[in-house]
Amino acid sequence: KQEVTQIPAALSVPEGENLVLNCSFTDSAIYNLQWFRQDPGKGLTSLLLIQSSQREQTSGRLNASLDKSSGRSTLYIAASQPGDSATYLCAVTSGGSGYSTLTFGKGTMLLVSP
Amino acid sequence: AAGVIQSPRHLIKEKRETATLKCYPIPRHDTVYWYQQGPGQDPQFLISFYEKMQSDKGSIPDRFSAQQFSDYHSELNMSSLELGDSALYFCASSRGGANEQFFGPGTRLTVL
Repeated sequence: KQEVTQIPAALSVPEGENLVLNCSFTDSAIYNLQWFRQDPGKGLTSLLLIQSSQREQTSGRLNASLDKSSGRSTLYIAASQPGDSATYLCAVTSGGSGYSTLTFGKGTMLLVSP
Repeated sequence: AAGVIQSPRHLIKEKRETATLKCYPIPRHDTVYWYQQGPGQDPQFLISFYEKMQSDKGSIPDRFSAQQFSDYHSELNMSSLELGDSALYFCASSRGGANEQFFGPGTRLTVL
């Protein structure tokens, strides 16, 4: 059974810092990995999708890397802003009958203070 | 761009009642997924449909059932509601399986 772990569980940084969120998964047979953002009580916003054949994806100040063989991904946020404060969830698509489902980590709660 | 639509956004029910949640996927998306997120928990996969057929099944209770209709919208039917069913229910859609999933805003179900 796929298990996804995110470290740290919570992170508090001052505005302007660069930061790294970590995600690891136990079964390397994944189709892809997605990073999501979730504001309290709100829906999930997809930030980046990395296919299993890719090593990284970039979108604005966000960069996500994937090392499938070691079961790890990192989300790098450059020049953090208070508006980045949210919970960041890592999820992998794996297994099933070919119509794959997401297994989520428990998230990293990020607080960026002005 | 069109997003995933879920209705209702909020629902309050009593124990043992029945609830129906609806999901309208992004146009041309043929796969729908349902997830349940309890308070302070990560989303848990319930069930998915591809081209109107059930494709995968997760931790969905036997009291729950779901289907995908000819227009690709999906409904999650929940019977004999329990207090523990109180959660955010998300629907996601994708074009084919193993592709990027786009999530709806969720339905917040409260069981009293």
